[in-house]
Amino acid sequence: NAGVTQTPKFQVLKTGQSMTLQCAQDMNHNSMYWYRQDPGMGLRLIYYSASEGTTDKGEVPNGYNVSRLNKREFSLRLESAAPSQTSVYFCASSARTGTYEQYFGPGTRLTVT
Amino acid sequence: SQQGEEDPQALSIQEGENATMNCSYKTSINNLQWYRQNSGRGLVHLILIRSNEREKHSGRLRVTLDTSKKSSSLLITASRAADTASYFCATARRTGANNLFFGTGTRLTVIP
Repeated sequence: NAGVTQTPKFQVLKTGQSMTLQCAQDMNHNSMYWYRQDPGMGLRLIYYSASEGTTDKGEVPNGYNVSRLNKREFSLRLESAAPSQTSVYFCASSARTGTYEQYFGPGTRLTVT
Repeated sequence: SQQGEEDPQALSIQEGENATMNCSYKTSINNLQWYRQNSGRGLVHLILIRSNEREKHSGRLRVTLDTSKKSSSLLITASRAADTASYFCATARRTGANNLFFGTGTRLTVIP
């Protein structure tokens, strides 16, 4: 039982390049989330998907797009990376949104130069 | 902006001592959750306390919730070196957005 998996673990991009972060969960959860974590800022929600086929903006959605490919997979895309997007990105899932505990992946450390 | 703020930002104690971390929040909540993050890893859920509960225990963890003061505390008793980690509170709001809001965390160091 892998829980929540993320790929890649590390990535270095040049400004303007694009990339997609992949996330998958095997817990049959309905809801999935993408967060970024910056020093001293805690976790900030980028986008979430309450259920398959729906996505909603979180606190910091600018510069990102998401796709809920199916119930298991939720990807995050940076179309034109900027140095301000240097961060650690975490994917999480939960049975449903809001009141339920969330399960986190190991994170992707992204550096944009 | 974060919903919760932890206090202190950093805490260093000797193994065997108790560690107390506090969390304050701003709006009405459905529940409050505590998570642990080891260095370089994802967050791990520790405990959830509902708004109609005042205290909850799980092993060496004790969480209290005071909704009148909009605050919560996490007590780790008889700390171990393996408890060294960052601890975050997260709130589920009663109305509006249906996601969790995380605080900025307390960095706990337990010295062997």
